[in-house]
Amino acid sequence: SAVISQKPSRDICQRGTSLTIQCQVDSQVTMMFWYRQQPGQSLTLIATANQGSEATYESGFVIDKFPISRPNLTFSTLTVSNMSPEDSSIYLCSVGSVQANTEAFFGQGTRLTVV
Amino acid sequence: GNSVTQMEGPVTLSEEAFLTINCTYTATGYPSLFWYVQYPGEGLQLLLKATKADDKGSNKGFEATYRKETTSFHLEKGSVQVSDSAVYFCALSQGAQKLVFGQGTRLTINP
Repeated sequence: SAVISQKPSRDICQRGTSLTIQCQVDSQVTMMFWYRQQPGQSLTLIATANQGSEATYESGFVIDKFPISRPNLTFSTLTVSNMSPEDSSIYLCSVGSVQANTEAFFGQGTRLTVV
Repeated sequence: GNSVTQMEGPVTLSEEAFLTINCTYTATGYPSLFWYVQYPGEGLQLLLKATKADDKGSNKGFEATYRKETTSFHLEKGSVQVSDSAVYFCALSQGAQKLVFGQGTRLTINP
């Protein structure tokens, strides 16, 4: 299993500003994933963060809006840039084991409100 | 592409009732299937999983069977409790632990 710590747990931000969310894992993992959960909706994958290479973004998400860093095998950050109220969501970090098709573990999430 | 369709909620039941939450999927090949649960104010937790056809995942009285012929992974529990009130997500993955989620079903159990 993996223990994932996300910071901050929640924040209220002004529109036009940026927020960086941190994700720390208690073990080394190859891939980390960032998801968004908009109010009352399901989780949507934003991007896959690989150590030592550029993040891979899903359709509808771009690096300029959601830049991601992955400096080592236990840490990643997601920045939500130039925020608008539509960015109000829960953002979750996830990791999996090296074995394919096994359980993914999730952080507690960051609840972001943009005003 | 891959997709997951869940029974629409919200679902409200009385304690000790039988629960079924339907989940069907579309995928090429043989995905792994999961049920995740999100209790109020908490993060997402794995409830159960199945990695191949005919596998049955079970945990905390919940069960789901991987049915390849009907591309389904319905969640069942014989007797629900108030503490089961949560949002339930069906999901699939095809390697790399990247998950595709259903829309979620909010379950409320009344005493």
